[in-house]
Amino acid sequence: DVKVTQSSRYLVKRTGEKVFLECVQDMDHENMFWYRQDPGLGLRLIYFSYDVKMKEKGDIPEGYSVSREKKERFSLILESASTNQTSMYLCASRELAGNTGELFFGEGSRLTVL
Amino acid sequence: QKEVEQNSGPLSVPEGAIASLNCTYSDRGSQSFFWYRQYSGKSPELIMSIYSNGDKEDGRFTAQLNKASQYVSLLIRDSQPSDSATYLCAVNIGLHFGNEKLTFGTGTRLTIIP
Repeated sequence: DVKVTQSSRYLVKRTGEKVFLECVQDMDHENMFWYRQDPGLGLRLIYFSYDVKMKEKGDIPEGYSVSREKKERFSLILESASTNQTSMYLCASRELAGNTGELFFGEGSRLTVL
Repeated sequence: QKEVEQNSGPLSVPEGAIASLNCTYSDRGSQSFFWYRQYSGKSPELIMSIYSNGDKEDGRFTAQLNKASQYVSLLIRDSQPSDSATYLCAVNIGLHFGNEKLTFGTGTRLTIIP
C-alpha cells in the first residue's frame, strides 16, 4: 500500500528555533513536494524535488530550505521559525514515469510557532 | 492573476442534485488537470484527472476541460452527504517534463444537504 509518512503530526516551537520536518515515502517516487495549507489560501508549494539532491523553489520558498540526500526522504527546514510559519505542512510524492500527476500525501504536520 | 482560481464557496446542494464546481487557470501551456477531494482534517486525495478537451466520466463524477477558455470543471451527479468536502482544482505548470509543479486552487467547500 502507498505510504507517505511525516515524522510529526503536531509540533510546537518557539520563535527563532530551527525546525526539521521529515517526510519518507516507500513508493520509489522521483518527485517529492512540500506544501503548506492555510485557511483561505489553499495549498501553496514551498519546494519540490524531482530527483535526489535536486530541488526547485515553489511559490513561497522564503524562510525555508530543503534537503533530499536519499530518494525516499525529503526534509523541510525552517532555519529560524517565525509566527507566520504557523501552518499545516503537507508532504507529497509522485512517480515520474507516466506522470499521471497523482500526488500521494502524508497526513500532515501541524506546526505552531509561539 | 492567480495561476489557478476557484470560487471558495461554500456551495450547498440538495442530496440527489448535481453539484457543479469550476476552475480557471492562467498558463495556456498547461496539459494536465486534476481534481482532489479533501475531507475536513484529512489530506487531499485524487478523484479525477483530465488531459484532453471534452468530458471524462468516472461513476458519478464528470470532469470537463476547455483549453481555449482555460477552464476546467467537475460535475457530481446524484450528490450524497458523503460528497461534502473541499474540492481542490490542480494544474501542472510545466517547466519541463518531469519537473512540473502541481499548483492548486484555494478550493471550493461543498456541502450536500440531506
